[in-house]
Amino acid sequence: GDSVTQMEGPVTLSEEAFLTINCTYTATGYPSLFWYVQYPGEGLQLLLKATKADDKGSNKGFEATYRKETTSFHLEKGSVQVSDSAVYFCALLMNTGFQKLVFGTGTRLLVSP
Amino acid sequence: SAVISQKPSRDICQRGTSLTIQCQVDSQVTMMFWYRQQPGQSLTLIATANQGSEATYESGFVIDKFPISRPNLTFSTLTVSNMSPEDSSIYLCSVEVGLNQPQHFGDGTRLSIL
Repeated sequence: GDSVTQMEGPVTLSEEAFLTINCTYTATGYPSLFWYVQYPGEGLQLLLKATKADDKGSNKGFEATYRKETTSFHLEKGSVQVSDSAVYFCALLMNTGFQKLVFGTGTRLLVSP
Repeated sequence: SAVISQKPSRDICQRGTSLTIQCQVDSQVTMMFWYRQQPGQSLTLIATANQGSEATYESGFVIDKFPISRPNLTFSTLTVSNMSPEDSSIYLCSVEVGLNQPQHFGDGTRLSIL
């Protein structure tokens, strides 16, 4: 079945460091891909999305490119801030009419001053 | 996007009791979803709730334990019945705002069972 694999956390960085969180997926078709972020004590917020191969989603300095050849959607940010500390979830949505999101396990990011 | 309000935001309950969680959306949506997020875990879909029909449950979840109502296009409830400590989780509702569009989530209900 469809699945998403994320790198395990926690990822611990100093402020202004470069961030990469790896995400790969397995799907029988051509899914849409998303990154969601969950700040402490809150629900999930959509961070960015990409709906087809080679699309780049971006928001708040974060970027991710839909790579069909490597079935990946890695999240990157050039300079992290303490306020970016959160759990990041990669997810896919099969565009088959039944809108079921498949989530990765989540990666906790801890940014220290 | 849609604004989603969940109530209660958190609760502490006694084992054997039931709790109903409400999810209100500020616009009409066709599909609403209920997820469970166990401590330190990812999200697991409990069921999909469409207005005017029975909810569709995922494997491992049953209507007797998690009855769902969907009386109109802006509201849904999830009841966690006969609770045990294993039901301690965050329960989140989400909505689909359009075909192939990302789901939007409420802030969740943090439930602890003693």
